[in-house]
Amino acid sequence: DAGVIQSPRHEVTEMGQEVTLRCKPISGHNSLFWYRQTMMRGLELLIYFNNNVPIDDSGMPEDRFSAKMPNASFSTLKIQPSEPRDSAVYFCASSRHSGYGYTFGSGTRLTVV
Amino acid sequence: QQQVKQSPQSLIVQKGGISIINCAYENTAFDYFPWYQQFPGKGPALLIAIRPDVSEKKEGRFTISFNKSAKQFSLHIIDSQPGDSATYFCAASKGTSGSRLTFGEGTQLTVNP
Repeated sequence: DAGVIQSPRHEVTEMGQEVTLRCKPISGHNSLFWYRQTMMRGLELLIYFNNNVPIDDSGMPEDRFSAKMPNASFSTLKIQPSEPRDSAVYFCASSRHSGYGYTFGSGTRLTVV
Repeated sequence: QQQVKQSPQSLIVQKGGISIINCAYENTAFDYFPWYQQFPGKGPALLIAIRPDVSEKKEGRFTISFNKSAKQFSLHIIDSQPGDSATYFCAASKGTSGSRLTFGEGTQLTVNP
């Protein structure tokens, strides 16, 4: 099993640009999570899906953030327009059950200049 | 009620010593308590987990101690090694589909040679 695959690993973009982060969960996992990690705020849950349906998006900072899961093997997190304060490491995780057994990807380090 | 409080924020231990990280939770419905280990540039990885029907679980040099009445659990690392230097996160959930993990703030462990 290749694990949770995230792309790109690093992204540097200018303020105001659209950024799209991608995630391929582990096959057979039916829950998918997007986290943001910063020194100041630690690990923050942004949104999670069960069976491709968004369950809780209360952690999404504002309307500039959106996430989709069009099928069981792919999810995107989009930021439009991006701002310097969005700079962080974004992790995707998946699990068979949303309550336990999370497997994290290696993350995307986003830098907005 | 969903919070998990973790301490200390950072910990420095000498090689061969014992590292102890503590967590406290509020929600009595939580029934799954994992610990995650994160190395720089990597996503968190499941290290060890416990359910409240036991008071202790040991895997190699890593032990979780669980105190249900006090709503506290801790990670003990015996014979700490420089390779154990990482950030450790405790977490808790109801352990069922439809719930989600709540993470502590993280502890940065440094083991000096």
